[in-house]
Amino acid sequence: QSVLTQPPSVSGAPGQRVTISCTGSSSNIGAGYNVHWYQQFPGTAPKLLIYDNNNRPSGVPDRFSDSKSGTSASLAITGLQAEDEADYYCQSFDSSLSGWVFGGGTKLTVL
Amino acid sequence: QIQLQQSGPGLVKPSLTLSLTCGISGDSVSSKSAAWNWIRQSPSRGLEWLGRTFYRSKWHNEYALSMNIRITINPDTSNNRLSLQLSSVTPEDTAVYYCARGTGNSPGQYYFDYWGQGVLVTVSS
Repeated sequence: QSVLTQPPSVSGAPGQRVTISCTGSSSNIGAGYNVHWYQQFPGTAPKLLIYDNNNRPSGVPDRFSDSKSGTSASLAITGLQAEDEADYYCQSFDSSLSGWVFGGGTKLTVL
Repeated sequence: QIQLQQSGPGLVKPSLTLSLTCGISGDSVSSKSAAWNWIRQSPSRGLEWLGRTFYRSKWHNEYALSMNIRITINPDTSNNRLSLQLSSVTPEDTAVYYCARGTGNSPGQYYFDYWGQGVLVTVSS
């Protein structure tokens, strides 16, 4: 059981908007710690997608954005494309564990 | 361009020690702004941060509470790499192991921006 909870799967048609939630607690997201997001394709390492409140590394399109409220965060993907089909993970710091924690991951299927 | 290249055996017998190395190019293991981490991924445990090493006037190591007794992460400044040793392994330690660079001004702003290719380590007799 991951410290951060994500839905196992989401899906959407090309061009649509989808969101992926990441629910934590008062010792991580609720404590004000930043949430970061990663994208992972099968057989490859996770890749940083969004960091520190909606910052994107070079090369990541602005179709990807995030938000945070209370003990939860969300990743939004607009203008869904077939190439977005991947697994997505959230990550934050947990003060109770004194370490960094990840969500269980969400598989995005583009219909 | 920062690249992390991992190496190590893919099969380890139960009760023995898992050992992996991660070579760094494009940055320094002695960087005063980054830290060097080990993270693993398995179907049962998901992504799990194991620990990190970093240099801020002196060397520091920090380990996940769940790993503290069994894990050792060492920097190798001569070869610009870091290593992971995990002792007394069991089949539960079977996972893909990644090294990753971490950066951030505080624990709450810390994220992993460069990752190695990953090594699948299977614990089996």
